[in-house]
Amino acid sequence: DAGVIQSPRHEVTEMGQEVTLRCKPISGHNSLFWYRQTMMRGLELLIYFNNNVPIDDSGMPEDRFSAKMPNASFSTLKIQPSEPRDSAVYFCASRGGGQETQYFGPGTRLLVL
Amino acid sequence: AQSVTQPDIHITVSEGASLELRCNYSYGATPYLFWYVQSPGQGLQLLLKYFSGDTLVQGIKGFEAEFKRSQSSFNLRKPSVHWSDAAEYFCAVGVGGGADGLTFGKGTHLIIQP
Repeated sequence: DAGVIQSPRHEVTEMGQEVTLRCKPISGHNSLFWYRQTMMRGLELLIYFNNNVPIDDSGMPEDRFSAKMPNASFSTLKIQPSEPRDSAVYFCASRGGGQETQYFGPGTRLLVL
Repeated sequence: AQSVTQPDIHITVSEGASLELRCNYSYGATPYLFWYVQSPGQGLQLLLKYFSGDTLVQGIKGFEAEFKRSQSSFNLRKPSVHWSDAAEYFCAVGVGGGADGLTFGKGTHLIIQP
């Protein structure tokens, strides 16, 4: 299995630009999670989906952030407009039905100038 | 709400020495507990997990952890560390049978001295 795939691995953009992060979960997994990692706040859950449906988005910092999961094999996290404080590593993780373990992707390192 | 505390931000251990990384959690019911490791520039890899049963769990790379309900702890141990163990280690608690997201500690940075 290829594991969780994230793209791009690195993104540098300017303040005010739209940023789209992508995630392909492990085939057959029905839960998908987006996390953000910063030095100040550590790893935080942003949002998660079960069977493509958003279950809890209480961790999404503000309206500039949005996430979608149009099908079982693809999810996006969008920031519009981006700000320097959004600079972080964004991780996607997936989990199979009936399982407790989440498998993490390699992350997208985002730098907003 | 649940929380995880890793009291040691940095730990330095000599190669070949034993290791214990501390983790304390706060959660009203029996938690689902995890230890993940993150090497520089990499994602998180699961070392081990505890859900129920034997409170001493074995993981990959020679790691083990012990769940102590009375102390709300889930400390990670390894009898003899290798230079390749240098990394960031995260303790996490999952609720809802692990179906919900994970709450992570701030991590412990492990440095291995030759």
